[in-house]
Amino acid sequence: NAGVTQTPKFQVLKTGQSMTLQCAQDMNHEYMSWYRQDPGMGLRLIHYSVGAGITDQGEVPNGYNVSRSTTEDFPLRLLSAAPSQTSVYFCASSPRRAYNEQFFGPGTRLTVL
Amino acid sequence: AQKITQTQPGMFVQEKEAVTLDCTYDTSDQSYGLFWYKQPSSGEMIFLIYQGSYDEQNATEGRYSLNFQKARKSANLVISASQLGDSAMYFCAMREIQGAQKLVFGQGTRLTINP
Repeated sequence: NAGVTQTPKFQVLKTGQSMTLQCAQDMNHEYMSWYRQDPGMGLRLIHYSVGAGITDQGEVPNGYNVSRSTTEDFPLRLLSAAPSQTSVYFCASSPRRAYNEQFFGPGTRLTVL
Repeated sequence: AQKITQTQPGMFVQEKEAVTLDCTYDTSDQSYGLFWYKQPSSGEMIFLIYQGSYDEQNATEGRYSLNFQKARKSANLVISASQLGDSAMYFCAMREIQGAQKLVFGQGTRLTINP
C-alpha cells in the first residue's frame, strides 16, 4: 500500500492564482481531512469528509474548496491564492472510528508570493 | 469546543533520561480519544500512542507511555530512556468519538535530546 499520497511536494504561486492540491489514499478509509501547519504552530483543520459525497468545514475553511467524488481522492482547491495561505498542507485519512489514528501524507509546502 | 494546550514550547533533555511532555485538554464530550504525534525535522507526522477516554489503564507503546489523568484533563506523554532520534516536535491531539470526529491539535513541544 502506498498509504496517503500528496502532490505536489512543493509549489510556488503568485497572488490570485488558483491551484489544486491532490490527495489520494489506497486504504479504503472513509474519513479524510486537510490541515495546514504554519511555522511554530500545530495543525489546523481546513475541511474534512466522512465519506464520498460528504464534506464539511473545519476550523479555517475560508479560501479553500474540497470535493469527495470517490473514496480514494480528496483534492483541496485554492480559489485565489493569498500570501496568508503560505503554509505546509497535510492530508490525512482514517477509518471512521475515532479510536483509530489518522494516517498523514508527506505534506505540500506552498508559498504564495 | 475542544481545545488542547501544550505549555512547553521547548524542552532540553540529556540522552538516556526520561522526559514528560505536558498536555491538557478541554472538552464537554464524555467520549473522546487522545493522540500523540511526532514530527521530526523531515516534516512527516508519525503516530506514537492513543488513549481512549474510557480506558482505565494508561496506554503504553514501547518507550512511550501516556499518563492519563481524566479528572485533571491531562494526557502527558512520557518517553523513557530518551535517544538522540527522539529530537523532534511533539503534538498532542484529541478526537471526538461522536459527530464529526474532528482531530484537534495542540501547538506542540520541541524536544531536543543532548548527547
